Amino acid sequence: DGGITQSPKYLFRKEGQNVTLSCEQNLNHDAMYWYRQDPGQGLRLIYYSQIVNDFQKGDIAEGYSVSREKKESFPLTVTSAQKNPTAFYLCASSPRTLTLNQPQHFGDGTRLSIL
Amino acid sequence: QQPVQSPQAVILREGEDAVINCSSSKALYSVHWYRQKHGEAPVFLMILLKGGEQKGHEKISASFNEKKQQSSLYLTASQLSYSGTYFCGTDFQSGKLIFGQGTTLQVKP
Repeated sequence: DGGITQSPKYLFRKEGQNVTLSCEQNLNHDAMYWYRQDPGQGLRLIYYSQIVNDFQKGDIAEGYSVSREKKESFPLTVTSAQKNPTAFYLCASSPRTLTLNQPQHFGDGTRLSIL
Repeated sequence: QQPVQSPQAVILREGEDAVINCSSSKALYSVHWYRQKHGEAPVFLMILLKGGEQKGHEKISASFNEKKQQSSLYLTASQLSYSGTYFCGTDFQSGKLIFGQGTTLQVKP
């Protein structure tokens, strides 16, 4: 079955450490997205990519970095510059940029906590 | 730019109806609706593209008033499975969605 796989499900970060969250999709989608969700809040966009080797900052990109070397993969690195990384991180993909009936498909998320 | 959802929370009994609103301060190209259960991924419900268009999925339907820059989600004869947080995502033809803060719906027996 096609879908989006995020790993790990739970992740712990030590002070000053960078951690990388994995996101893989086999839906052959062009666009991929990273969202951060805090308790009781909506989804805030961190980064998004519409095509391989290209990505754009979202609303809260500071302290995060991404790469898009392959169509199916869009890893997110939470750097030590992100002082409050504890949150639920969701990866999503869609067939192309948002035009004409193109829903986003979400992975099951990674819950990141600080040790 | 974030759309405003109302109400923030609603509690229903099974069989009752609910309406969730999503308002934008900017002109919308489309509105997406998703439902999320606690700790799970959001699940796509529907997209509304044209002004005034209504779409339905079983007993869940939605409308999009382009002039008012608003969309409403209608849940009819609610079931226990409808419980969760509902998000609207607004598209300004920028290649990304901007989500509202969510509306928490609790359906009780």
